Amino acid sequence: QVTLKESGPVLVKPTETLTLTCTVSGFSLSNARMGVSWIRQPPGKALEWLAHIFSNDEKSYSTSLKSRLTISKDTSKSQVVLTMTNMDPVDTATYYCARILTVDGDAFDIWGQGTMVTVSS
Amino acid sequence: DIQMTQSPSSLSASVGDRVTITCRASQSISSYLNWYQQKPGKAPKLLIYAASSLQSGVPSRFSGSGSGTDFTLTISSLQPEDFATYYCQQSYSTPIFGPGTKVDIK
Repeated sequence: QVTLKESGPVLVKPTETLTLTCTVSGFSLSNARMGVSWIRQPPGKALEWLAHIFSNDEKSYSTSLKSRLTISKDTSKSQVVLTMTNMDPVDTATYYCARILTVDGDAFDIWGQGTMVTVSS
Repeated sequence: DIQMTQSPSSLSASVGDRVTITCRASQSISSYLNWYQQKPGKAPKLLIYAASSLQSGVPSRFSGSGSGTDFTLTISSLQPEDFATYYCQQSYSTPIFGPGTKVDIK
């Protein structure tokens, strides 16, 4: 069974750096063309893609957030880590990680349950 | 970045109704369009990928069509468990989601 689970702080202060971890099971991050994305959703708002990383270490970032994001993976631990610097209250959201299905484009076929992050002093 | 719009932003329908949701891209994205369903407090669920391919395990009452800039998601006979918000997402370039369409009970 394929699962993804997000973990990280529930509350961060403005200007702090957020570090989120996605732990996967049921598949390997080293499998050919396997990838994981981070996606967020502010309360009551739409989904926003943040970043992805593939098994060959190919990375891509949201154009608007690129300067604040870093994505990495630890294949031995089956983990994908996202860091976001200089957090602001507008970054308050549920953060999801999702597996990338690479068939005729990239779709997100399996999602974690999400982790809610609040930015407040 | 490619911009995505959806219409309507919300709709009210009854069980058994045929429901159609439209998604439009600001430029051609070929068939690189996916659809998701999200229920309150839950993660999104992939319904359709590559514009018209039904994800495994998704009921056949869901279907997708379109190419280029205009796409539709159709629910042939709305069921109680289908009341949710639906998002399109383009995968032609940096992934972008549409603003969503909320389907609620009439």
